[in-house]
Amino acid sequence: KNEVEQSPQNLTAQEGEFITINCSYSVGISALHWLQQHPGGGIVSLFMLSSGKKKHGRLIATINIQEKHSSLHITASHPRDSAVYICAVLSGGNEKLTFGTGTRLTIIP
Amino acid sequence: KAGVTQTPRYLIKTRGQQVTLSCSPISGHRSVSWYQQTPGQGLQFLFEYFSETQRNKGNFPGRFSGRQFSNSRSEMNVSTLELGDSALYLCASSLASPAATQYFGPGTRLTVL
Repeated sequence: KNEVEQSPQNLTAQEGEFITINCSYSVGISALHWLQQHPGGGIVSLFMLSSGKKKHGRLIATINIQEKHSSLHITASHPRDSAVYICAVLSGGNEKLTFGTGTRLTIIP
Repeated sequence: KAGVTQTPRYLIKTRGQQVTLSCSPISGHRSVSWYQQTPGQGLQFLFEYFSETQRNKGNFPGRFSGRQFSNSRSEMNVSTLELGDSALYLCASSLASPAATQYFGPGTRLTVL
């Protein structure tokens, strides 16, 4: 079993829909990152969380430390949101990032 | 402020050769991490450097090595290339550690023939 599991692996939705991507992990962590990767490879860091909730524009990220679970939400989705979304955790006391396998999101106009 | 730059962007090598990739972090960033991305294994951590010292290393063979210079620029080297080393190699910089926001470079796509 991977230390970091993401679901779903693939998600196709209509423009305007509310999107939720989930990340579960099995180890104690000090921080969790949500990353966005567009075709061509470039990766952008969206959020770094250690507790609670963060919001940036139409994106919201939450984390529940007790349940070892994080979610990334996208409101009013747009075709430009189409990308692979990757969850990565930094294990407690360990400065190494462990990555989930990613969720491929496609938003149809 | 300029972003993270990586050179070269594309590279084709043959088995048995060695390769050196370069990463220039954002000015003021002292932590540089390297990652390998393949279709089969996804993103995997290679190593992290801070102030010219390797602080952490992932589960890769000794053929993979790196270093960081006093200006925080970093290089990684892969010796005796294997077909399985074909991948996108990404570096990321942050102010002090991977616990802070990471800024990724565009990557170097290495193809081993």
